[in-house]
Amino acid sequence: SQKIEQNSEALNIQEGKTATLTCNYTNYSPAYLQWYRQDPGRGPVFLLLIRENEKEKRKERLKVTFDTTLKQSLFHITASQPADSATYLCGHASGGSYIPTFGRGTSLIVHP
Amino acid sequence: GAGVSQSPSNKVTEKGKDVELRCDPISGHTALYWYRQSLGQGLEFLIYFQGNSAPDKSGLPSDRFSAERTGGSVSTLTIQRTQQEDSAVYLCASSLVGGGEKLFFGSGTQLSVL
Repeated sequence: SQKIEQNSEALNIQEGKTATLTCNYTNYSPAYLQWYRQDPGRGPVFLLLIRENEKEKRKERLKVTFDTTLKQSLFHITASQPADSATYLCGHASGGSYIPTFGRGTSLIVHP
Repeated sequence: GAGVSQSPSNKVTEKGKDVELRCDPISGHTALYWYRQSLGQGLEFLIYFQGNSAPDKSGLPSDRFSAERTGGSVSTLTIQRTQQEDSAVYLCASSLVGGGEKLFFGSGTQLSVL
């Protein structure tokens, strides 16, 4: 079955730097990948979705890439701020399923 | 506008009791999902409703779990004879159409089974 893998270790970076988070998937290429942000005690919030035929998608300081050769999506936050500190989840639905599955998320900590 | 609303936000119950968790999706959203999130774990799919179609119950962990969605809107997740391993955050999400894209999540119900 398809698996989504995210780095379980927290990513610590300095304010102003670019944060890069990785999402790897196994087996077949999903029709799309989507990224969510989750703050403690809250539900995930949708950020970006990138489709299989798209290489890159941007939204303000956020950028997502999709590399079907590497079976990987990268999520970038440029000019990071302490307010960007949160857990970021990668998810997808594929193989004809309409039910998204998610990775465990990567915690991002931006230090002032 | 109003987002996805879940109640209660916290529920403490004794082992063996039944609990009901409620979800009010965004008005007009046809798809509704229930997930469970244990501490430090990812989102575990439980059940999916899409319009008037039969729900996909493939994620329910046991027959103690059930859910319904009345009138294509409000959903209730029921856990019978709760066990300590049921302790988790139960999250509800809705989306405008099916397909699993762009889910709007509620803040969840923190369930603690003593």
